[in-house]
Amino acid sequence: QQQVRQSPQSLTVWEGETAILNCSYEDSTFNYFPWYQQFPGEGPALLISIRSVSDKKEDGRFTIFFNKREKKLSLHITDSQPGDSATYFCAARAQVVGQLTFGRGTRLQVYA
Amino acid sequence: GPKVLQIPSHQIIDMGQMVTLNCDPVSNHLYFYWYKQILGQQMEFLVNFYNGKVMEKSKLFKDQFSVERPDGSYFTLKIQPTALEDSAVYFCASSLTGRTGQLYFGEGSKLTVL
Repeated sequence: QQQVRQSPQSLTVWEGETAILNCSYEDSTFNYFPWYQQFPGEGPALLISIRSVSDKKEDGRFTIFFNKREKKLSLHITDSQPGDSATYFCAARAQVVGQLTFGRGTRLQVYA
Repeated sequence: GPKVLQIPSHQIIDMGQMVTLNCDPVSNHLYFYWYKQILGQQMEFLVNFYNGKVMEKSKLFKDQFSVERPDGSYFTLKIQPTALEDSAVYFCASSLTGRTGQLYFGEGSKLTVL
């Protein structure tokens, strides 16, 4: 059973639009949710993260909205740029040091 | 930003052989990790390592797997013997602190077992 689910599997938007990437989880002990961005041939890089005590985290064009009751979160990328084209992984962490549970990723394509 | 280097980037070996994947973590980091990603699936935690010891490992960390970091050199993942199902991309990561530390990932080592 997948502990962290992401949707959609792939997403295409035009430059300037807002991309919305969704994530849901099962384990209520998860308390930290990083989003990783991965370009082809590279390792995942931390983009933005949120702790379960917050319901929103903003960093430039990237915003996480978090709903603890529904166990859902979403990553909004405003004013999408072609350079944002990558795979985005939602992850969650509970108690084990460094053990992140990843979703399968959303592949985002931004067309100019 | 801080870089984690992995060697080799790709290795092809025959089933039953031994393989060692090498990781050069961020220089002042103290915690080290291996993750496994099968094509099209999510990355999965294998093991974490601190102060010369394995702290936790998942069910994916089979008896044929071992990790070490002799004398502050590479952090290695050894698989002996390899099986077909070990074919995957293996990501190394490191962090400065444990429970709240940000993980920095390498670019992955793609292992193909024939």
